[in-house]
Amino acid sequence: TQLLEQSPQFLSIQEGENLTVYCNSSSVFSSLQWYRQEPGEGPVLLVTVVTGGEVKKLKRLTFQFGDARKDSSLHITAAQPGDTGLYLCAGEAGGTSYGKLTFGQGTILTVHP
Amino acid sequence: SQTIHQWPATLVQPVGSPLSLECTVEGTSNPNLYWYRQAAGRGLQLLFYSVGIGQISSEVPQNLSASRPQDRQFILSSKKLLLSDSGFYLCAWRGVISSPLHFGNGTRLTVT
Repeated sequence: TQLLEQSPQFLSIQEGENLTVYCNSSSVFSSLQWYRQEPGEGPVLLVTVVTGGEVKKLKRLTFQFGDARKDSSLHITAAQPGDTGLYLCAGEAGGTSYGKLTFGQGTILTVHP
Repeated sequence: SQTIHQWPATLVQPVGSPLSLECTVEGTSNPNLYWYRQAAGRGLQLLFYSVGIGQISSEVPQNLSASRPQDRQFILSSKKLLLSDSGFYLCAWRGVISSPLHFGNGTRLTVT
């Protein structure tokens, strides 16, 4: 069974601060996705990283996939209250996984104005 | 465009009662379908997935079952609910591998 350890579980910061969320595993993933979820709604995809060492940027969000494709990070620069939400990483094993994703435990981010 | 519908949005059921949650997808054919459960706004636990009509795979032993009577319809059921079945249930679909997982808005189930 593949596991994804996501940290920290909670993050409470002031507007304008930077933050990083980590997602680690001992298993190799063919791809890794990051989702953001608002209360009472389903998660929405932010990005998919596929290649080891890949870096993708989405405005103030920077996503990185580890060289060995076992870990990933999400860095937010100058956080804003609108960034508040639950962030989830999810890894895909590939092969005959039938598109199943293994999710991390999530990081609840609160950005205070 | 593709859409996913999940209902009801909230449900309060007594222990021992049956359950039926429905999910339908529009705008795509032969999707992979998934049922996830999420506890207290945390990570998602995969319950069932389906790669085709009548094909159901269970990920964890539990009091629930799933069925896929039509290509774009996925149903989560229970004959007798337990208190531990309370949670936030999410249906999702996916097309080709490595494509995004598209979620419904979930059902908040409270078993009393």
